Amino acid sequence: SQKIEQNSEALNIQEGKTATLTCNYTNYSPAYLQWYRQDPGRGPVFLLLIRENEKEKRKERLKVTFDTTLKQSLFHITASQPADSATYLCAALRSSSNTGKLIFGQGTTLQVKP
Amino acid sequence: DAGVIQSPRHEVTEMGQEVTLRCKPISGHNSLFWYRQTMMRGLELLIYFNNNVPIDDSGMPEDRFSAKMPNASFSTLKIQPSEPRDSAVYFCASSLGGRGEDEQFFGPGTRLTVL
Repeated sequence: SQKIEQNSEALNIQEGKTATLTCNYTNYSPAYLQWYRQDPGRGPVFLLLIRENEKEKRKERLKVTFDTTLKQSLFHITASQPADSATYLCAALRSSSNTGKLIFGQGTTLQVKP
Repeated sequence: DAGVIQSPRHEVTEMGQEVTLRCKPISGHNSLFWYRQTMMRGLELLIYFNNNVPIDDSGMPEDRFSAKMPNASFSTLKIQPSEPRDSAVYFCASSLGGRGEDEQFFGPGTRLTVL
């Protein structure tokens, strides 16, 4: 079955370092990957989208890569801050059809320590 | 815009009772999604609508679950009868179009506890 997998273990890093989160997908080839941030008690908030023909996308301190050979996306936060502490969710199309049906990963919790 | 609005924010009910969750999408958005989030299963898509029409309800767990969208500004998710395993946070989201590249805007969620 189609699956999105993210590291279930929390990632703890020191303020100022770069955080790198991993998203792996199996049994399909998504046309898009989206990354969302979720804070406790709140709904996910969209951060970035990357298309299968894009290798990298940047937005301020955020960078996302999409490697269709490895079937993997990496999400980087440079110069991390305690305010970046949250759960980050990776999401991809459930099928090759161009609809809004997303499959979400379980999310990786990031803790940035001052 | 106030964003996606969901009510109630919290619901505690007893097994066997009917539960109705409500959602008001962002004005002008054509697609609406209902998700369920649990620790075990993460965020799962239950059903989504495009232009008020249900497009895919394959994620709806059982016949006890039903969803309606009578107009572009309102949707409901009903569980009847509710069971303890339905306890979860239910999110409603909307997007401008129904395309895979459209970002989805999530509401604050309804935390449902079925005793």
